[in-house]
Amino acid sequence: DGGITQSPKYLFRKEGQNVTLSCEQNLNHDAMYWYRQDPGQGLRLIYYSQIVNDFQKGDIAEGYSVSREKKESFPLTVTSAQKNPTAFYLCASSSVSGRAGELFFGEGSRLTVL
Amino acid sequence: GIQVEQSPPDLILQEGANSTLRCNFSDSVNNLQWFHQNPWGQLINLFYIPSGTKQNGRLSATTVATERYSLLYISSSQTTDSGVYFCAVLYNFNKFYFGSGTKLNVKP
Repeated sequence: DGGITQSPKYLFRKEGQNVTLSCEQNLNHDAMYWYRQDPGQGLRLIYYSQIVNDFQKGDIAEGYSVSREKKESFPLTVTSAQKNPTAFYLCASSSVSGRAGELFFGEGSRLTVL
Repeated sequence: GIQVEQSPPDLILQEGANSTLRCNFSDSVNNLQWFHQNPWGQLINLFYIPSGTKQNGRLSATTVATERYSLLYISSSQTTDSGVYFCAVLYNFNKFYFGSGTKLNVKP
């Protein structure tokens, strides 16, 4: 089945540790996105990429890093510099052409810092 | 950027009631989508609707792009409709902007 797979679904980390969240899509989409959601809040854009080997900061990029070495993969690293990393992280992808901009989401990863 | 505003922020309904959710945006957009976030956090695509009207079962949506708003109609609501409804717009073929959501609680 085509879709977006995020892993792990739940993750616990100690303060000061980096953690990497995986996002893989088999929809052949060019664009991929990472969003953060805090309890009771909306979605905020962390990073996005419209093509392999290129990505741009979103509204809350500080303390996060990404890479886009393959079209189907867009991992997010939450670094120790992120002051409040406990949140729900959502990965999404969309086609750049054709039915441009229809956004599809993975099931999300819940990160808890202990 | 662009401002995306949703109303109402909270809505409580009795099962079987109808409702209308609104999404206003401050500039021309390339497309608009409606999502339902279920209690487990998953975002489900409801409608891709840059303009016009679409229907899917008890749900329908209308976007009037020239007047910069979209409406989501839920008829004969069920408890499984509970959750948060988001609209999202694509602006300058670049980034998606989300509204702050409408939290719907359907009581049995």
